[in-house]
Amino acid sequence: AQSVTQLDSHVSVSEGTPVLLRCNYSSSYSPSLFWYVQHPNKGLQLLLKYTSAATLVKGINGFEAEFKKSETSFHLTKPSAHMSDAAEYFCVVSDLGGSGNTGKLIFGQGTTLQVKP
Amino acid sequence: DSGVTQTPKHLITATGQRVTLRCSPRSGDLSVYWYQQSLDQGLQFLIQYYNGEERAKGNILERFSAQQFPDLHSELNLSSLELGDSALYFCASGGGLTGLYFGEGSWLTVV
Repeated sequence: AQSVTQLDSHVSVSEGTPVLLRCNYSSSYSPSLFWYVQHPNKGLQLLLKYTSAATLVKGINGFEAEFKKSETSFHLTKPSAHMSDAAEYFCVVSDLGGSGNTGKLIFGQGTTLQVKP
Repeated sequence: DSGVTQTPKHLITATGQRVTLRCSPRSGDLSVYWYQQSLDQGLQFLIQYYNGEERAKGNILERFSAQQFPDLHSELNLSSLELGDSALYFCASGGGLTGLYFGEGSWLTVV
């Protein structure tokens, strides 16, 4: 069964400094992986997705993530944080394999990103 | 704008009551997913429908049910409501390869 672990529940950075949000996954087969962002009182927005093409994936708002199979990781990065990046971030693995092929997403517990001026 | 529409945005109801949440998927999407988000449980997958048929079931209580209609909109029915059912309920459409596109959610408060 697939699972995803976000290694930090809370990350605090200063504006203009790099962002690193860590995510490890567990999957019996080649996974599809996603990062979502949720701003306060808002819905979830897809930041980027990995679906077995290029291992370095670029998303919206300057975010990118690298799929590392040997480390079973899919960390999210951004070179320079902006105040508007403050939000909750979810690493997600898709259940596509096995007989179910349901396509449902398994969410991590989330990482709260705080950006200090 | 994700293209997924959910109504109502906010709902306050009493324990023991029944409510219906509605979702319209993005144009062209056949799948609808329902998720529940609460402070203690995080984001929990409830159920998925594909072209009118139930495709997958997650942590959905027996008091809850859903259906997808021929026009592909979906409804999530929550009955015999308890205080612990207070949460944000999300609908999403899309798929496991493209990613899911979420609506703004329906805030349910049970008092």
